[in-house]
Amino acid sequence: DAKTTQPTSMDCAEGRAANLPCNHSTISGNEYVYWYRQIHSQGPQYIIHGLKNNETNEMASLIITEDRKSSTLILPHATLRDTAVYYCIVRRRTNAGKSTFGDGTTLTVKP
Amino acid sequence: ETGVTQTPRHLVMGMTNKKSLKCEQHLGHNAMYWYKQSAKKPLELMFVYNFKEQTENNSVPSRFSPECPNSSHLFLHLHTLQPEDSALYLCASSQESGLAGGTDTQYFGPGTRLTVL
Repeated sequence: DAKTTQPTSMDCAEGRAANLPCNHSTISGNEYVYWYRQIHSQGPQYIIHGLKNNETNEMASLIITEDRKSSTLILPHATLRDTAVYYCIVRRRTNAGKSTFGDGTTLTVKP
Repeated sequence: ETGVTQTPRHLVMGMTNKKSLKCEQHLGHNAMYWYKQSAKKPLELMFVYNFKEQTENNSVPSRFSPECPNSSHLFLHLHTLQPEDSALYLCASSQESGLAGGTDTQYFGPGTRLTVL
């Protein structure tokens, strides 16, 4: 599966949009972009995934560039409860067991 | 997430003890996983089960012994552990697509915080 690069940490003001970038320049045509987050000492929580089109659900939006080499997770109105480590994972759909969780981005939402 | 439950949530054991971690998924999935997360380290995949059959063992020491009696339950039997095995142990499940059209999204349990003295 393709390797991803994320910033180590980011801050965001409460109520503002949080934009978390991810680079995956070696992504293959059949690989999806998945986002998870992990609040301190809890299990990772699935957020969203996409292939090439932008996606939106009740938690977040996922913007994937046209060349698919990077993506951005958007939390439209960040709250203090969104403080967590956010992981960007690129993998084929049939490769769930091979999800490689890197170091992720530690997002801190500040009042 | 309430779809995947793990018990116990916390466990303290000595190096000579034998204990088991339990995972149960209520999502009707066909694949289950054990991950280990040590302090300040990324998640490490330990075992994968598809349709109750172990399909992956990532060079895990034999003091960790998985068991999958059915597609809803997964156990991790522990014996003669070392202090460096202290970590958060996470269970996950997914519906593998293959021919069944699953989503492949993994859903994680809350984890068991294990401390080996």
